[in-house]
Amino acid sequence: NAGVTQTPKFQVLKTGQSMTLQCAQDMNHEYMSWYRQDPGMGLRLIHYSVGAGITDQGEVPNGYNVSRSTTEDFPLRLLSAAPSQTSVYFCASSHLTNTGELFFGEGSRLTVL
Amino acid sequence: AQSVTQLDSQVPVFEEAPVELRCNYSSSVSVYLFWYVQYPNQGLQLLLKYLSGSTLVESINGFEAEFNKSQTSFHLRKPSVHISDTAEYFCAVSVNGNKLVFGAGTILRVKS
Repeated sequence: NAGVTQTPKFQVLKTGQSMTLQCAQDMNHEYMSWYRQDPGMGLRLIHYSVGAGITDQGEVPNGYNVSRSTTEDFPLRLLSAAPSQTSVYFCASSHLTNTGELFFGEGSRLTVL
Repeated sequence: AQSVTQLDSQVPVFEEAPVELRCNYSSSVSVYLFWYVQYPNQGLQLLLKYLSGSTLVESINGFEAEFNKSQTSFHLRKPSVHISDTAEYFCAVSVNGNKLVFGAGTILRVKS
């Protein structure tokens, strides 16, 4: 089973460049979310979605955009990359009825120079 | 807003010894509590969760956690650890479904 698939696994950007991190899940989960993981800070919620066409901001949304055109896909866009966005990004999904039981992808490591 | 404090950034322990990873939370409303585990170069996996009912919850691999409302704690324990338990452990809290707030993580290093 594929579960939650993130691409790319590694990416290096220059300041000011834009890019999209892809996330796809094959479990028919209504809920999808993006977190960033930084040393000593745990995971912080960037954006989330409770279904196709519905997105909302998390704790640290600035500099990121999302869309949810299908149940399966939830891409994260960096509009103009900054060194402060160097991080490991995780996509996670869940059924809305399974409180807190998130399924995580393997992560995307982004470095902004 | 909710917050989670994991009191130890790293916990070294010898194989077959007991371990406790501490977690305290802050919230003005009722919460759901979780422990997740992250093995090197992988995503997080749910280890156990407290939603309601019995305050002691267990995982399939021998970990347990006890919800203590008066002390606002949800410490994770295992009576005898294995080398394979070496990982980073995250405590998390939610008051609204799947929007989890995570702690900073505790690295458990099991030594032989």
